[in-house]
Amino acid sequence: DVKVTQSSRYLVKRTGEKVFLECVQDMDHENMFWYRQDPGLGLRLIYFSYDVKMKEKGDIPEGYSVSREKKERFSLILESASTNQTSMYLCASSRTGGRDIQYFGAGTRLSVL
Amino acid sequence: GQQLNQSPQSMFIQEGEDVSMNCTSSSIFNTWLWYKQDPGEGPVLLIALYKAGELTSNGRLTAQFGITRKDSFLNISASIPSDVGIYFCAGRRGGSEKLVFGKGTKLTVNP
Repeated sequence: DVKVTQSSRYLVKRTGEKVFLECVQDMDHENMFWYRQDPGLGLRLIYFSYDVKMKEKGDIPEGYSVSREKKERFSLILESASTNQTSMYLCASSRTGGRDIQYFGAGTRLSVL
Repeated sequence: GQQLNQSPQSMFIQEGEDVSMNCTSSSIFNTWLWYKQDPGEGPVLLIALYKAGELTSNGRLTAQFGITRKDSFLNISASIPSDVGIYFCAGRRGGSEKLVFGKGTKLTVNP
């Protein structure tokens, strides 16, 4: 079974803090994704990585950066957290090409106070 | 970014009833996926559709890939309380690794 693990289920941070959300997958997938989920807005793509050190902006990259130094790990960074970044963050991974689908982690619920 | 038009937004049904939800798009997709998200968890894939007209079942769930490649529907028969959750459709274009998601259908099942 594919496993996508997000390091924290719940996080509480203060405005202005630098926040790291970590995601690890164990299936040697090339692609990894970070989404943000808000009520009534569905899943919105923040960043996408298709290989180590490679990244592509999604629909809402402002206020976020990412890091992919190893194939299995994809980090989402909030350089200076703000209250409007309070949300559920979901990580996903997939294999390149063919019929492969995205597998999701359990999510990190981040509250910025 | 583009999102799929998913309806209805929410449904309140009695246990045992059948449920139908759908997704439409103004553009063509090569793959349609249906995910379910339980409260407090990440989405889990229910059904994947790869060919226009394809009809696929997974237990009490049935999904179809529309002939025009611009829509898909999901049916749940004889609903049970554990069907509660948010159902998302997602589409994938040829040559892209990214998915486009609907906003979700929140299902509540009353025992």
